[in-house]
Amino acid sequence: QAGLTQPPSVSKGLRQTATLTCTGNSDNVGNQGAAWLQQHQGHPPKLLSYRNNNRPSGISERFSASRSGNTASLTIAGLQPEDEADYYCSAWDFSLGAWVFGGGTKLTVL
Amino acid sequence: QVQLQESGPGLVKPSETLSLSCTVSGDSITNFYWSWIRQPAGKELEWIGRVFSSGNTDYNPSLKSRVTMSVDTSKNQFSLKLNSVTAADTAVYYCARGPGAGTPLDSWGQGTLVTVSS
Repeated sequence: QAGLTQPPSVSKGLRQTATLTCTGNSDNVGNQGAAWLQQHQGHPPKLLSYRNNNRPSGISERFSASRSGNTASLTIAGLQPEDEADYYCSAWDFSLGAWVFGGGTKLTVL
Repeated sequence: QVQLQESGPGLVKPSETLSLSCTVSGDSITNFYWSWIRQPAGKELEWIGRVFSSGNTDYNPSLKSRVTMSVDTSKNQFSLKLNSVTAADTAVYYCARGPGAGTPLDSWGQGTLVTVSS
């Protein structure tokens, strides 16, 4: 069972903006924010952002992250066909002493 | 740029021990945390645990009783052992760098499928 809560699916149109959410608590997301991963079918996850809005080099500025309290969000602007993937949030849980993931959100680009 | 590659048997019998290794290239294994994560087909990611280059470990409480991780700095490798496996342990197993203080799982291996079956 996932430690963080994500909606199972989100659908948006081409060139629209999608916002994915991730809800945790004060021991995880509310403490140091969340990291976001993108996973295409059959491929390993790829880091998109961490500690709310730090992007690794090479990640498009179309991906931006934020946090409000215990909820983290990933906003993807100008949706492209290649953005269709599963998106996972993750964070260190200081109560469990473990890294936890959300259940993932499947993003469909219509 | 760091690269990670998992290796090990793709088939393990029930009740036996799953053993995997991860070879790190492009950077030293020293002074980093290194994790194992798994993903059953069509399901979410599950963090198994991490090992620091010194050998210190942190494990997922749900798997702690069955997991052992170790590191071999001379080979730039780290390893996973999961004992008493069942069909529920069938998954793609990934190795990754991190998480550390303020840093996430930032580089991942390609993953290796391990099937538990007699």
